[in-house]
Amino acid sequence: SQQGEEDPQALSIQEGENATMNCSYKTSINNLQWYRQNSGRGLVHLILIRSNEREKHSGRLRVTLDTSKKSSSLLITASRAADTASYFCATEAMNRDDKIIFGKGTRLHILP
Amino acid sequence: DAGVIQSPRHEVTEMGQEVTLRCKPISGHDYLFWYRQTMMRGLELLIYFNNNVPIDDSGMPEDRFSAKMPNASFSTLKIQPSEPRDSAVYFCASSSGPRGLFFGSGTQLSVL
Repeated sequence: SQQGEEDPQALSIQEGENATMNCSYKTSINNLQWYRQNSGRGLVHLILIRSNEREKHSGRLRVTLDTSKKSSSLLITASRAADTASYFCATEAMNRDDKIIFGKGTRLHILP
Repeated sequence: DAGVIQSPRHEVTEMGQEVTLRCKPISGHDYLFWYRQTMMRGLELLIYFNNNVPIDDSGMPEDRFSAKMPNASFSTLKIQPSEPRDSAVYFCASSSGPRGLFFGSGTQLSVL
């Protein structure tokens, strides 16, 4: 069963613009993670934010977490063609079973 | 470290045949996850291990699926007998504690 649901399902923007993707989840979590998947490849871990954190940065990536709304957002600033990929959020539920469940992802296309 | 290694990269088989997928996790990682990815269902968690012990196999679709982890450096996912609806990309991922998952390149399985 899916825990996280990304929104939008697909997003096309011009190179240089910022891209924002959202994730909503259902149960209380220990942490939330974002991954990138290029076509035909495995997923690559981008960033992890813990339930007691509200914002985290890594290079051009900014992640926010609102546990009261059970939602997170991933912002990619100054997008590049190489950012074209699918982006997934994943949650580790707060029930000590260490399961990591993924959403269906957002397909991001950066237009040259 | 070479990362998570999966084999084979591609597998084409006929319905009814046995399929064995293999995974070598990153040395020192104590968690190993098997996921299946399809367009319709996204990334589904099939089973995961902690210190070679299966913790949760509730995602295994049927008794036709089985997974083993005989030691810390090797795991198999077996489908017997295989069916066309098993066609998907199967990913293995490993991690060390509550940190990001490291994914292999996946096995593209086609059951004819």
